[in-house]
Amino acid sequence: GAGVSQSPSNKVTEKGKDVELRCDPISGHTALYWYRQSLGQGLEFLIYFQGNSAPDKSGLPSDRFSAERTGGSVSTLTIQRTQQEDSAVYLCASSFRLAGPTDTQYFGPGTRLTVL
Amino acid sequence: KNQVEQSPQSLIILEGKNCTLQCNYTVSPFSNLRWYKQDTGRGPVSLTIMTFSENTKSNGRYTATLDADTKQSSLHITASQLSDSASYICVVANDMRFGAGTRLTVKP
Repeated sequence: GAGVSQSPSNKVTEKGKDVELRCDPISGHTALYWYRQSLGQGLEFLIYFQGNSAPDKSGLPSDRFSAERTGGSVSTLTIQRTQQEDSAVYLCASSFRLAGPTDTQYFGPGTRLTVL
Repeated sequence: KNQVEQSPQSLIILEGKNCTLQCNYTVSPFSNLRWYKQDTGRGPVSLTIMTFSENTKSNGRYTATLDADTKQSSLHITASQLSDSASYICVVANDMRFGAGTRLTVKP
């Protein structure tokens, strides 16, 4: 079946603008995760959703970042008033459950965000 | 503060050789530890998942080990191939904290 998809693949925006990044998880996966990866750096956890539970927002770097997951499927990561330091690749992943011992995370190809 | 540290930061080996990558963590307790491979410009791909009680897990030429007493894990790659060139990332799943990764380059 289809894997995790993300759109757009690339996004260039001007400082101060808002952006929305979309993630379509694998059908039937209840857990969805957002990460960002700056050039040459490791993955930084941002937020995860698990079923109907309240999301874990502990990794969001500021209140300019927010995410929602509608209908337990598609998720949107919104960055308001973008700053140059927001430039990174934003990766989405999904798993059947929340990272249990047998729950492989499947990653999307990422959205490369460039803030000018 | 819980951390995951990987070593070396980068490694260059010749095709056909073996190598071992290290992951030290302070996250405790944890449910499982994972190794991922990330090709340049791609999302990470899961290689192995080990629970607290497992000592070793293999996936083809990749073998991961876990010592919960010393809080160390390693990823051993046997008979390396050019396609093994990638970043290898250790993750402790409790808080989804990723290590910075080891950048492996396999040269012909």
